[in-house]
Order: sequence, then structure tokens, then C-alpha cells
Amino acid sequence: DVKVTQSSRYLVKRTGEKVFLECVQDMDHENMFWYRQDPGLGLRLIYFSYDVKMKEKGDIPEGYSVSREKKERFSLILESASTNQTSMYLCASSLRNEQFFGPGTRLTVL
Amino acid sequence: GDSVTQMEGPVTLSEEAFLTINCTYTATGYPSLFWYVQYPGEGLQLLLKATKADDKGSNKGFEATYRKETTSFHLEKGSVQVSDSAVYFCALRRSGGSNYKLTFGKGTLLTVNP
Repeated sequence: DVKVTQSSRYLVKRTGEKVFLECVQDMDHENMFWYRQDPGLGLRLIYFSYDVKMKEKGDIPEGYSVSREKKERFSLILESASTNQTSMYLCASSLRNEQFFGPGTRLTVL
Repeated sequence: GDSVTQMEGPVTLSEEAFLTINCTYTATGYPSLFWYVQYPGEGLQLLLKATKADDKGSNKGFEATYRKETTSFHLEKGSVQVSDSAVYFCALRRSGGSNYKLTFGKGTLLTVNP
């Protein structure tokens, strides 16, 4: 079974803090994705990566950056957290047609 | 650009009722279509998929048929259970390309009462 794990289920940070969300997959997938999920807006793609050290902006990259130093790990970075980044963050990986999702990190920025 | 429109929820049904969640899409070419389900407190799981016109995806009693003429992929189940309560997302992947990026609808919350 494919497993996608995220470092935290719940996270509380203060405005201005630097925040790291980690995602690890164990199936040697090339593609990895970060989404945020908000009520009434569905899932919106922040960034994705199709290979180590390769990344592409998604639909809402502003305020975020990513890092992919190893194939299995894809990190989302909030350089200076703001209250409007309070959300559920979902990581996914895929080889071909199907994306496999982690359980999500619910981030609250106070 | 690509887009997915699905019926707004929430949808509330009694156990054993018939379920339809409508999904239509806009995309060039021949996209692949998916339904994902998110149970409370969990990430998304693939429920079913169809990769070409007239394909029917099915899983756990759910079905959806890829209708190119109406650009639709409606989700149906003949008899829902309380355990089907979840958020359902319709999604598409554009044909061609190599990044496997998905475009999602906004999700439909289904609540099934005993």
C-alpha cells in the first residue's frame, strides 16, 4: 500500500513565524503536490514537484515556498505565517494517473 | 482553463436512499475523470475513475459514467449507508503532459441519517 505521511496533524503558530510542513511518501513516486483545503473553495494547488529539486507553481503560490531535496520528501514552507494561511494542508504523490493523499495538517495561525 | 463544477451541498439523505451528485467539466481534449472521497478527519481517497468517453468507473456500490457529449461524470449510488457520510470531490486530469496535475471541484458534503 502507498503511504503518504505528514509530519503533524495539528499545528498552531503565531503570525510572522516560519513554518515547515513535511510530507514523506514511500512508493518512489516522481510527482508530489501541496494543496490547501478551505470550506467552499475545495482543494487549491499551491506547488508541485515532478522530480528532485524541480518545482512548479500551482494556482496559489503566494506566501509559500517548497523544497524537494530527496525524492521521498516534499516540504512546504511558510516564510512568515499570516492568519489568512490558517487552513488544512494536504500533501499528495502520484506516479501516473492516481494521486495518493496524506491525512492532512490543520494549521492555525494566531 | 480547466474547471470542474459539482453540485453544491450539503446533501442530506436517509439510509437506503438513492444518491446522485452532479459533476460537469470544462477541458480541452480528453481528460481523465475521478471521484475522490474524504471521510471525517482524513485525507482524500480515490473512489473511482474513468479515462475515456463512455467508460464507467465503479467501486463500493458507487458508479459514474464518462459522458463526453454532456461533459459530465455524475456520481450515483443506489442505496446509501450511514458510513457513506463524507465529502465527495470530482476531479479531472488533462490529457497529455507529464505532471499529472489534477483540477478539483469544490466538494459536496453528504450526510446520511439512519
